[in-house]
Amino acid sequence: DIQMTQSPSSVSASVGDRVTIICRASHTISSWLAWYQQKPGKAPKLLIYGASGLQSGVPSRFSGSGSGTDFTLTISNLQPEDFATYFCQQGNSFPLTFGGGTKVEIK
Amino acid sequence: QVQLQESGPGLVKPSETLSLTCTVSGGSIGSYYWNWIRQPPGKGLEWIGYISYSGSTHLNPSLKSRVTISTDTSKSQFSLKLTSVTAADTAVYYCGRSSGTYYDYWGQGILVTVSS
Repeated sequence: DIQMTQSPSSVSASVGDRVTIICRASHTISSWLAWYQQKPGKAPKLLIYGASGLQSGVPSRFSGSGSGTDFTLTISNLQPEDFATYFCQQGNSFPLTFGGGTKVEIK
Repeated sequence: QVQLQESGPGLVKPSETLSLTCTVSGGSIGSYYWNWIRQPPGKGLEWIGYISYSGSTHLNPSLKSRVTISTDTSKSQFSLKLTSVTAADTAVYYCGRSSGTYYDYWGQGILVTVSS
């Protein structure tokens, strides 16, 4: 199985900040990576697919980059509704696997 | 707008079978891939498996021996059966739609607790 490692596990930030989350795959996955946002008690929401493709309806302050084994999710101009947990997920090979999550908390 | 809704018992006894159903509305179940994903309390996400629009299944090897996924297209539903459950199977179970790689629609999730 491909292991997905996220860092940091949590980050404290203020409204208006820029936040970067890293996801690293144990094997190369080309650009087969997605990012999800999850709020407490809710299902995950797809933000980014194909490493950098913005899902319809997702604000442009979310962006993704990377290929191979190293990927980043950047949230520019952090908004109050962005405080949540973020997961990466590889879509290169089965079983599809997720990172452990990064919690973005209010500073 | 595609919507998915999980249903089933919220409490299952150890060694018994967990059975859940996902009802799809607003879209055809005759295309895409229909998945089950779970999340133990306070932990990360684990893909359980999917059933495709053609009826083929692909299961996580870690659970394969205990999992069955089936579909009833006439009711726009697909189902999960997980046998011989233990406390380690306690989780929020989500159903979700994918094109094979990413999940674009999710159900709200259902908490299933394994306890006597």
